[in-house]
Amino acid sequence: DTGVSQNPRHKITKRGQNVTFRCDPISEHNRLYWYRQTLGQGPEFLTYFQNEAQLEKSRLLSDRFSAERPKGSFSTLEIQRTEQGDSAMYLCASSLVLPGTETQYFGPGTRLLVL
Amino acid sequence: RKEVEQDPGPFNVPEGATVAFNCTYSNSASQSFFWYRQDCRKEPKLLMSVYSSGNEDGRFTAQLNRASQYISLLIRDSKLSDSATYLCVVNRDGGSQGNLIFGKGTKLSVKP
Repeated sequence: DTGVSQNPRHKITKRGQNVTFRCDPISEHNRLYWYRQTLGQGPEFLTYFQNEAQLEKSRLLSDRFSAERPKGSFSTLEIQRTEQGDSAMYLCASSLVLPGTETQYFGPGTRLLVL
Repeated sequence: RKEVEQDPGPFNVPEGATVAFNCTYSNSASQSFFWYRQDCRKEPKLLMSVYSSGNEDGRFTAQLNRASQYISLLIRDSKLSDSATYLCVVNRDGGSQGNLIFGKGTKLSVKP
């Protein structure tokens, strides 16, 4: 399967614990995006990378959220000191930016439940 | 005004019906517009981009009115497999996709 993959697919954690999610983009895609989706809402943009550079992070929900893409390939999203309100689906998308065109392809998401 | 607004539905239609979804957006700087489809508990998938001149892909037709900041999607001869949530999407800044803003989605249910 050459699509975007995310791990784990499901995560249950207790309030106050740290969690880390991984996203593997489509090979050779230079952009990688993180979104959060809660029930009944559309995906909400969090941050994105062009290669290893994080170009936008002002929309990360709080300073408990951080993301990395150290080698410009896979990315991780970490949530520290989780809260019940962090329960959501976390989606990753990747794209190959070409002149005049870009299409984001989404992974299957990581569903987080904070107890 | 919300950044992207859609009627959440649900739209319940019989097979073969024609159904139209509308969407408005608030950011006049947005340059790229899309419709994504999302099946229950699945990831969003691009259905089609929306161009100023309007565009068609089989049974699906998308229209854009920049002056009114309005986007539409028309589905003709609807199939059971069209049942899904349709997300109206615009980009936050000018240029390519970049940072996307999603509407809440319109739920479509096609019945036999």
